[in-house]
Amino acid sequence: DTGVSQDPRHKITKRGQNVTFRCDPISEHNRLYWYRQTLGQGPEFLTYFQNEAQLEKSRLLSDRFSAERPKGSFSTLEIQRTEQGDSAMYLCAGGRNQETQYFGPGTRLLVL
Amino acid sequence: GESVGLHLPTLSVQEGDNSIINCAYSNSASDYFIWYKQESGKGPQFIIDIRSNMDKRQGQRVTVLLNKTVKHLSLQIAATQPGDSAVYFCAENPPNTGGFKTIFGAGTRLFVKA
Repeated sequence: DTGVSQDPRHKITKRGQNVTFRCDPISEHNRLYWYRQTLGQGPEFLTYFQNEAQLEKSRLLSDRFSAERPKGSFSTLEIQRTEQGDSAMYLCAGGRNQETQYFGPGTRLLVL
Repeated sequence: GESVGLHLPTLSVQEGDNSIINCAYSNSASDYFIWYKQESGKGPQFIIDIRSNMDKRQGQRVTVLLNKTVKHLSLQIAATQPGDSAVYFCAENPPNTGGFKTIFGAGTRLFVKA
């Protein structure tokens, strides 16, 4: 158990709806990452926070996606106007040093 | 662009045998590599890492080998157990990314036969 939790674990939504996911790393994790993983593939980097600052965003993160980490602790990832192509596992990872990342269990999203 | 790939999508081994999972990377300047294990319904779990200034690193029942000449990474699991059944990902940190743009390969699924 990495201590990183994500909520919800599963989400089914209809196309066009907005969804929000939450990630709670452990308090020592000043770094927080979001990834997307589709079936049979490795995780793809979406965005990264150092404390509350969002320092990097992937081109995969379209303008329908937004992430926040307001107090440098938990983070939220929102997807607006969901599309069927957004169906995937959304993973959050926390870390202290430069490289090692500790993943949460993920939120599996299904867009109908 | 840079990519990290795996030679085999699936690997089946007998319980008690050693497993070797291979990975090729394309960015010769990458300086840090990680192996992750992902069980069904769970997030990736860190197994072992290695920096580019090393050729070999050992952990508990696992060994990672790095061959920079041919840009090849491997994970060796000794005395494979049923609990080792999972998907294994290699990942690399390209240079000049601040250590946060980890690139994952597609994964190898390991089946352990009892």
